[in-house]
Amino acid sequence: NAGVTQTPKFQVLKTGQSMTLQCAQDMNHNSMYWYRQDPGMGLRLIYYSASEGTTDKGEVPNGYNVSRLNKREFSLRLESAAPSQTSVYFCASSTRLAGVSYEQYFGPGTRLTVT
Amino acid sequence: LAKTTQPISMDSYEGQEVNITCSHNNIATNDYITWYQQFPSQGPRFIIQGYKTKVTNEVASLFIPADRKSSTLSLPRVSLSDTAVYYCLVGGISGSARQLTFGSGTQLTVLP
Repeated sequence: NAGVTQTPKFQVLKTGQSMTLQCAQDMNHNSMYWYRQDPGMGLRLIYYSASEGTTDKGEVPNGYNVSRLNKREFSLRLESAAPSQTSVYFCASSTRLAGVSYEQYFGPGTRLTVT
Repeated sequence: LAKTTQPISMDSYEGQEVNITCSHNNIATNDYITWYQQFPSQGPRFIIQGYKTKVTNEVASLFIPADRKSSTLSLPRVSLSDTAVYYCLVGGISGSARQLTFGSGTQLTVLP
């Protein structure tokens, strides 16, 4: 049981390049999330997926797109990377939508640098 | 949005009890209070969650007064390995709300 896995662990992009961050969970969770964490700050929600087939914007969605490929996988895409997107990206999952008694399980993160 | 306020940092010594308080004055009726722990270069890890009064598990206790405008995470007999950032999270996603902001957290440093 690996929990939540993310690939890649590290990535360096040039401004304007695109890339997709992958996330998978093996806990049969319905809901999945993408966060970003800037240095010295807490996590901010980018997008979430309440269940397979649905996605919604979080607090900071601009510059990102997501795909809930199936129940296990939730990917985050940067179409045209900008230096302001330099951050650590965390994927998380939970049984149901987080907040009302459903804890989130987090992956190890992807450290992205945009030059 | 239930904004939370926590101390930026705290120091403690091994074996002491540590209490970290989080203020959340505009907590909504159906909001739960959840605490997470984060070590460097790792994702946050769930510690404890509660709605009111007191909750205890194998690693921590959570005290919530009757007005629910604050909560206190209590870590008994801390060790060096408890050095981490602790986040208080109030509320969650409901309807069209997108309220899962963790805030800046409290850096706990346990000294030998």
